Order: sequence, then C-alpha cells, then structure tokens
Amino acid sequence: GENVEQHPSTLSVQEGDSAVIKCTYSDSASNYFPWYKQELGKGPQLIIDIRSNVGEKKDQRIAVTLNKTAKHFSLHITETQPEDSAVYFCAATLDMRFGAGTRLTVKP
Amino acid sequence: NAGVMQNPRHLVRRRGQEARLRCSPMKGHSHVYWYRQLPEEGLKFMVYLQKENIIDESGMPKERFSAEFPKEGPSILRIQQVVRGDSAAYFCASSPAHTSSYEQYFGPGTRLTVT
Repeated sequence: GENVEQHPSTLSVQEGDSAVIKCTYSDSASNYFPWYKQELGKGPQLIIDIRSNVGEKKDQRIAVTLNKTAKHFSLHITETQPEDSAVYFCAATLDMRFGAGTRLTVKP
Repeated sequence: NAGVMQNPRHLVRRRGQEARLRCSPMKGHSHVYWYRQLPEEGLKFMVYLQKENIIDESGMPKERFSAEFPKEGPSILRIQQVVRGDSAAYFCASSPAHTSSYEQYFGPGTRLTVT
C-alpha cells in the first residue's frame, strides 16, 4: 500500500511569513494529492488538491506543487495569518493514506 | 446542500459495552470512508464502503469492529465490547466516486470515550 511521510511535524512562523509543508509518497501510481486543514475539535477540511497531470495549483494564499519524478508534493501558505494555525494533513491516493500531520502555529 | 453528518458527536461507553457511530454522507455521494484519530495523531484509514458493499476493510481491526452502509439509511461503524484503547475520534468522509478521481468531504467526527 501507499506510504506517506509528512514533514515537519510542527512549524511555527511569524504572521506574514510563508509556511511550507512537504510530503513524500511511495506508490508511483498515486494520482490525486489533497491537503486538509483540521482545527481543534473539528473534522478535516479540504483546502486544496492537485492531480498528477499538473505540477502546480494556486488558490489565493495557498499553493500546492507536485514533483512526480521525485514523488513529493508541498503545501505553500504565503502571508500567513493567525487563523491559519491548525493541523495540516496531506494524503495520496490510491487508498487515501494520510501523512501524520503538521501543527502550524502562526504568531501574531 | 448539507455536509457530511455524524452522530452522536460525543459518546461515552463503559468497557464491554457496544458503540454505534452513524454517518450520513453528502447528498449524491455513494462512497463512505471511516477513519480513526487518536489524540495528537494523524488519521488512520479503517474501511471504505459503497452502498451495501465493503470495498476495503484493510485498516479495520479483525475483531470487535464492523461497518455497514445499507441501501437505505446512514453508514454504521459498530464497536463491540469496547476497551479503553478504543477511545478516539472517529471521522467519516464521503465522495461521489472513488477517491482516485474525487475529493473526500469529512464530517465533524464522533468522539468516543471509554471509561
């Protein structure tokens, strides 16, 4: 099955700085890579995803990049705000295995 | 369009009792996934179901755990003879088709506490 590794496990940035979270996967057949944000006491919320036929996707302050050759993909958050503080999870299909999560703290 | 619904949101059971967790997928979604999340940990896949069929249960413990998604009504995750180690948040997600093409939407979770 798929094995997804996520780094770092914790990340602390100053408000306005950028944050980058990286994931690697093992199954070259995986073709869908979502990112989820989970706030305390809530379910994960899909924030952005990318399919294997593109290398980058952007939505306002959030972007995801995919390197299929190296089998890694990254979440980029620019101009971070305190409300971006949460746990972020990556996942890779085919069987939706999740990374262990990154706890992002944005300090005002 | 209502999102994924889970109930109850909180469930307390004594050791040895049964826990039943319910998940109603988004309208038009026929695929349901169950995940378990221990405190400060990630999401662990348990089982993937379509209407009336279990497609993948490779993440579900062989004993005491079962899941169903009947033709009518919500999906049910059932845990028999609960133990303290079953205490966790259980999330379900739904998608209109298998995740290789479509994103999953998560419910708010059921937090199970075994005393």
